[in-house]
Amino acid sequence: AQKITQTQPGMFVQEKEAVTLDCTYDTSDQSYGLFWYKQPSSGEMIFLIYQGSYDEQNATEGRYSLNFQKARKSANLVISASQLGDSAMYFCAMSIWRGGYNKLIFGAGTRLAVHP
Amino acid sequence: DVKVTQSSRYLVKRTGEKVFLECVQDMDHENMFWYRQDPGLGLRLIYFSYDVKMKEKGDIPEGYSVSREKKERFSLILESASTNQTSMYLCASSFNPGSGNTIYFGEGSWLTVV
Repeated sequence: AQKITQTQPGMFVQEKEAVTLDCTYDTSDQSYGLFWYKQPSSGEMIFLIYQGSYDEQNATEGRYSLNFQKARKSANLVISASQLGDSAMYFCAMSIWRGGYNKLIFGAGTRLAVHP
Repeated sequence: DVKVTQSSRYLVKRTGEKVFLECVQDMDHENMFWYRQDPGLGLRLIYFSYDVKMKEKGDIPEGYSVSREKKERFSLILESASTNQTSMYLCASSFNPGSGNTIYFGEGSWLTVV
């Protein structure tokens, strides 16, 4: 069965430090995508970063990088130089192709608090 | 800029009422989705649609139905609202095909059933 596990319900980090948010996934599909979304208190889901299962290089987008370890089935998000505005819920998600649509499976989320 | 718009941000409804949640996207996406978000459970897929008038059940369809009469609009319907449907509802859309296409979300609709 397809599943996303985020084991950290909450994380704290000091401003300007780096933080890693954990994500492990389970699927028997060979082709899949891994996403991270940020959800501020306003409720919108903001796309941060994407990693394809066949991509050999780790994805990076500005201060965000995805540490993809395929053999361990992990896709951790690294935020460098944390900012106060990074305080939010973060969701890891996996996209699998189901013959007509992308099924997106989410983890339970990690709440990140950035302290000054 | 891509846009997924949910018509109602905050609703309070009574038990037994029929509730409509509307979602419109302006990106000509084929796929549209309705998710429900609850603390500790992440987002769970209620229904999705991959074409006009086409719909498929997600993981938790019980108590919900959907309508997609036009490509840009996807409606979630609670035929008879119950208190356990108090939640945050998120609409999303994406292109076909492939697992790498980004899914774009609306801002969410907070529904309280009393």
